[in-house]
Amino acid sequence: KNEVEQSPQNLTAQEGEFITINCSYSVGISALHWLQQHPGGGIVSLFMLSSGKKKHGRLIATINIQEKHSSLHITASHPRDSAVYICAVRGGTSYGKLTFGQGTILTVHP
Amino acid sequence: NAGVMQNPRHLVRRRGQEARLRCSPMKGHSHVYWYRQLPEEGLKFMVYLQKENIIDESGMPKERFSAEFPKEGPSILRIQQVVRGDSAAYFCASSPIAGAIQETQYFGPGTRLLVL
Repeated sequence: KNEVEQSPQNLTAQEGEFITINCSYSVGISALHWLQQHPGGGIVSLFMLSSGKKKHGRLIATINIQEKHSSLHITASHPRDSAVYICAVRGGTSYGKLTFGQGTILTVHP
Repeated sequence: NAGVMQNPRHLVRRRGQEARLRCSPMKGHSHVYWYRQLPEEGLKFMVYLQKENIIDESGMPKERFSAEFPKEGPSILRIQQVVRGDSAAYFCASSPIAGAIQETQYFGPGTRLLVL
C-alpha cells in the first residue's frame, strides 16, 4: 500500500461542475502539498497545508490531520483546469523531502 | 526573480553515454531537491542537497547516479552509462529554507531524458 493514496485516479467533468479530489496518507506529516502538472509541462505548487483550509481563486484545499485526509476542490471548473493534480506529503524529517501520490488526471470538457 | 531553471529541457542519449542535468535554483535559494518521474509512475524523491553538501540521497540508485551542488553554479544530476530504464522526467525544486513549517518548494520545468 502506498503511503499516499489519491482518488479518483481519473476524473472527467463538464465545464462548470464542482470537483473534488481526495488524498489519504498513512504516515505522520508536517505538511501536505497540492501540485498541478500539465501534460508535458512543469509542476506548479498550488497549496501547502499543515492544518485547516486554504483558498486561492476557484481552488480550495482542506486537511484533517486526525483523519490523515486532504481534499482539493475546484469550483466552476473550466477546460483550462485539465491537468494532473498531485498530492505530496512532507514527513517527519527536518527538511522538505516529499512523498507523492500517483496523481489524479482531470479532464474538463466544454 | 526568475524561477527555477533546468537545462536541457529535452535530452536524448544512447545507451552507455553520460547524461548531465542542470538545475539553477531561484535566487537566494540554497536548498535543492531532485525528483524523478518514470513513465506512467508518480514522482519519487532522489536527493536533497544544500550548497556543497548532500544531505539525503536515500532515493538515488546506488550505482551510476551522482549529484552535486557546488558553491558556485547550478546543481548537477549526473547519470553515467545510461540505460533505457533511466528514461524519465527529472525535476528539481528549490526552497529558501528547510524545515520551517512554511517551507514551499518551487519546481523547475523538468528535463525529459530519453535513452535510445
